[in-house]
Amino acid sequence: DSGVTQTPKHLITATGQRVTLRCSPRSGDLSVYWYQQSLDQGLQFLIQYYNGEERAKGNILERFSAQQFPDLHSELNLSSLELGDSALYFCASSVYPQGNEQFFGPGTRLTVL
Amino acid sequence: TQLLEQSPQFLSIQEGENLTVYCNSSSVFSSLQWYRQEPGEGPVLLVTVVTGGEVKKLKRLTFQFGDARKDSSLHITAAQPGDTGLYLCAGAVSGSNYQLIWGAGTKLIIKP
Repeated sequence: DSGVTQTPKHLITATGQRVTLRCSPRSGDLSVYWYQQSLDQGLQFLIQYYNGEERAKGNILERFSAQQFPDLHSELNLSSLELGDSALYFCASSVYPQGNEQFFGPGTRLTVL
Repeated sequence: TQLLEQSPQFLSIQEGENLTVYCNSSSVFSSLQWYRQEPGEGPVLLVTVVTGGEVKKLKRLTFQFGDARKDSSLHITAAQPGDTGLYLCAGAVSGSNYQLIWGAGTKLIIKP
């Protein structure tokens, strides 16, 4: 158990809809990262927050947005969903703003029908 | 564009065999990490290497960081079915504010 929690574990929705994925980092970690992993693919970095502020952006679509709240939990919002958005979405956390030694949550499997 | 190339992309071997997975880049890394991911689960950090030429061992797994800190290898001795998974390397580059650059992964299957 990494100490990072993600909800929900599974999410099935329809094209055009909007969903919110939630992540709670390990106790004491200030950085949260979001990744997308499509079937049999590597990790695609989406975005990082550190102590409530956006720190780095990767290949995140404009239809996607994220935020980190004062209690350090984070949410990833995906809107106008397309079939190609079906993937595993992982949240990771680390103590420092640099990307070293990230601890991953169990992921949310999103299926868009 | 900073790239971290992993090879092979896929490896299927018999239990008891040895194997090596490689992670190569033209970039110099301040540190490099190896993760293992099992199907449907999040990656789990195995090791972090920091010093050029560094070798770390984790039971039957041996990790080496290249002298120039541009490459790394993971060697597994006497592979077991429990080693099956996706192995990912990720390097931290000082020029990119220490953000991690991720390899695409090596999918390893150990057949009993």
